[in-house]
Amino acid sequence: QKEVEQNSGPLSVPEGAIASLNCTYSDRGSQSFFWYRQYSGKSPELIMFIYSNGDKEDGRFTAQLNKASQYVSLLIRDSQPSDSATYLCAQGRNNRLAFGKGNQVVVIP
Amino acid sequence: KAGVTQTPRYLIKTRGQQVTLSCSPISGHRSVSWYQQTPGQGLQFLFEYFSETQRNKGNFPGRFSGRQFSNSRSEMNVSTLELGDSALYLCASSRDSPNQPQHFGDGTRLSIL
Repeated sequence: QKEVEQNSGPLSVPEGAIASLNCTYSDRGSQSFFWYRQYSGKSPELIMFIYSNGDKEDGRFTAQLNKASQYVSLLIRDSQPSDSATYLCAQGRNNRLAFGKGNQVVVIP
Repeated sequence: KAGVTQTPRYLIKTRGQQVTLSCSPISGHRSVSWYQQTPGQGLQFLFEYFSETQRNKGNFPGRFSGRQFSNSRSEMNVSTLELGDSALYLCASSRDSPNQPQHFGDGTRLSIL
């Protein structure tokens, strides 16, 4: 079983809609969770981090963590064409981050 | 505040050669991690350094090595390059641990001919 799994295929959403991304992880000892955005040809950019169960909101982004079910999700409200990118989920433990393969999001104007 | 700086941005090498990549972390950040990114494998952890000590290492052969200096700058070295080493090599820094928000540099694109 992979440490971090992002199973959804490319996600197409209309401009202004909500994009929802999910990520599951296998290590119950994970202490921190991160969402990165990566544009084609660029390096990952940190957009959200969450340590505790529940929701964390920052602008149009909301991260949700459920440690009992071992998943973390990212909601992007009022999606914009500039949100079109690959979103990477990562978990932190023992001085390393483990990344999922990423989900591509395409926002259609 | 300056971000994470990686040099060089691009490198072309041939099989059998060796290469050294450099990373300067964000000022005040003492933890530096290195990753390899390829289309097939995604982002894979190479190693992490803090106070000149390697605290964790990923599942890569011994040809991949690194070090950290007293000013927190870090280098990674790949010896006896193979075609499969072609990848984007990313450095990321955080204040004390990768469990804290970690920020990436622009990466070094390594191509092996």
